[in-house]
Amino acid sequence: DAGVIQSPRHEVTEMGQEVTLRCKPISGHNSLFWYRQTMMRGLELLIYFNNNVPIDDSGMPEDRFSAKMPNASFSTLKIQPSEPRDSAVYFCASTQRGQGVGSGNTIYFGEGSWLTVV
Amino acid sequence: GENVEQHPSTLSVQEGDSAVIKCTYSDSASNYFPWYKQELGKGPQLIIDIRSNVGEKKDQRIAVTLNKTAKHFSLHITETQPEDSAVYFCAARDQAAGNKLTFGGGTRVLVKP
Repeated sequence: DAGVIQSPRHEVTEMGQEVTLRCKPISGHNSLFWYRQTMMRGLELLIYFNNNVPIDDSGMPEDRFSAKMPNASFSTLKIQPSEPRDSAVYFCASTQRGQGVGSGNTIYFGEGSWLTVV
Repeated sequence: GENVEQHPSTLSVQEGDSAVIKCTYSDSASNYFPWYKQELGKGPQLIIDIRSNVGEKKDQRIAVTLNKTAKHFSLHITETQPEDSAVYFCAARDQAAGNKLTFGGGTRVLVKP
């Protein structure tokens, strides 16, 4: 299994530019998550999808952030316009959502996209 | 919503000694508690998990305990080795509320040879 695949691995961009991060979940998984990791705030859930539908986007910090999942094998996280405080590692993760209580399934993380906004 | 506290934030141990990391959670409905290990430059990887119907689980040198009444759970690593050096995260999830995981703040473990 190839695991969760994220691109780009590293990106340096100037303030005000648009940033698009991409994710390919593990084949067969039907839940996808976007997390942000910083030293100050740790791992924060930004948004997650079940069956390509956004379920909870309460963690999306501002309207500058948007996420889409047009199909089961692809998702994007977009920041427009980017700001220096958006510098962080952005992780995509996926799982096969279980049926019923007690069916908690492993959430697998990608290697992350390291974003620096200067 | 769920709040997960993790202690200590850093832990230095001598190779061969044990390491213990503790977490507390706030939502009594949480019923799934995974632990992740994150090495430098990589994403978090699941190392062990426990469900609320179990009090303890072991996997070789790693064990996790859960006290539902007190709402805390712990990770125990015995006979630590240098390759155990990493950041460890605990997390909690209420499966009835979806797959959303809430993470603790992380513990940086350094195993000194």
